[in-house]
Amino acid sequence: EIAMTQSPATLSVSPGERATLSCRASQSVNNNLAWYQQKPGQAPRLLIYGASTRATGIPARFSGSGSGTEFALTISSLQSEDFAVYYCQQYAKWPPYTFGQGTKLEIK
Amino acid sequence: EVQLVESGGGLIQPGGSLRLSCAVSEFSVSNHYMSWVRQAPGKGLEWVSVLFSGGNTYYADSVEGRFDISRDFSNNTLFLQMESLRAEDTAVYYCVEGPYYFNYWGQGTLVTVTS
Repeated sequence: EIAMTQSPATLSVSPGERATLSCRASQSVNNNLAWYQQKPGQAPRLLIYGASTRATGIPARFSGSGSGTEFALTISSLQSEDFAVYYCQQYAKWPPYTFGQGTKLEIK
Repeated sequence: EVQLVESGGGLIQPGGSLRLSCAVSEFSVSNHYMSWVRQAPGKGLEWVSVLFSGGNTYYADSVEGRFDISRDFSNNTLFLQMESLRAEDTAVYYCVEGPYYFNYWGQGTLVTVTS
């Protein structure tokens, strides 16, 4: 089973600033990585798949990068609606599909 | 608009059984990969099971032998039959669509296993 580790657990950033969230896989997943955003009381929403491809309707301020074992999600200029929990997920080797434990992005 | 609507959650005693349903609109469960993903209260996401369009099924080790994923073509519905429930199965269960990553999510249904 591939373990996914996200860092930091909590990230405090001011609106308008840039945020970078990290995700590490315990072995290579190539570019088979997705990112999700989850707001309180809501289901997660797909942001990025293939490590860097934005899902339909996702603003350009969200970008994904990386391959192999190291990945990043960058939000270029934080809007109020971006403060949420973010999860990465690998789908290179399954079952199981595995998620990171999440990074909470909070307002500084 | 794609919609996935789960139902069937509730309060159940340890050892009990429950069947979750997911009514799908705007696409057919017969030719899409469908999964269940759960989230324990205050915790992260955990993949539970997948049903491929061709009929193959896979399960997380934590539910293997206790849970069964299936579908009803006529009603375009996905199911999760859960047996021998444990306290650690307490979670919101989401019905999701996608081959490997998950494009569409339902709103979730809460399953609480407690005596």
